[in-house]
Amino acid sequence: AQRVTQPEKLLSVFKGAPVELKCNYSYSGSPELFWYVQYSRQRLQLLLRHISRESIKGFTADLNKGETSFHLKKPFAQEEDSAMYYCALGQNSGNTPLVFGKGTRLSVIA
Amino acid sequence: NAGVTQTPKFRVLKTGQSMTLLCAQDMNHEYMYWYRQDPGMGLRLIHYSVGEGTTAKGEVPDGYNVSRLKKQNFLLGLESAAPSQTSVYFCASRPRDRAYEQYFGPGTRLTVT
Repeated sequence: AQRVTQPEKLLSVFKGAPVELKCNYSYSGSPELFWYVQYSRQRLQLLLRHISRESIKGFTADLNKGETSFHLKKPFAQEEDSAMYYCALGQNSGNTPLVFGKGTRLSVIA
Repeated sequence: NAGVTQTPKFRVLKTGQSMTLLCAQDMNHEYMYWYRQDPGMGLRLIHYSVGEGTTAKGEVPDGYNVSRLKKQNFLLGLESAAPSQTSVYFCASRPRDRAYEQYFGPGTRLTVT
């Protein structure tokens, strides 16, 4: 069964400090991992996907198949990064819906 | 191009009342989803549809029904609302060939008293 675990419900960091939002997954096939973000009073939106290997708003995430992890990182947190972050697991084909983790609320303190 | 829209934005129901939430998308997407978002529980899939006229159960389907009579619309019904259904409901859609690219609606905040 597919499962996504985000162990932290809330993460508070100071502005300028490094950020790491943890995500672990369980999946027997070849996974596709994504990070979605929900800013205050905005709708959920795709932040990045592992296959693109790009940096969005300073965030990066590397898929580690050995540790079954897809942690989201940013070297210097900004106040505007405060939001709810969801890790999601899926397949790029077929009908199987994305499986979302329970989310981590990031609070960046000035 | 409005993307994904949801009607209504807010609603208060009494226990036992019924209502229908409407999701509409103008992107010609085949797949549509209904989620509920609760504190500490994250996003949980209620029902989804892979095309017009088809629906399937998600993780938490009990107490809800759905219909997809038109490709652009996905309706979520509560036949007899319960306080446990107090939540924020999100609709999403995606194209067939891009499983990762889900577009979400703004949400409907439902309170059942």
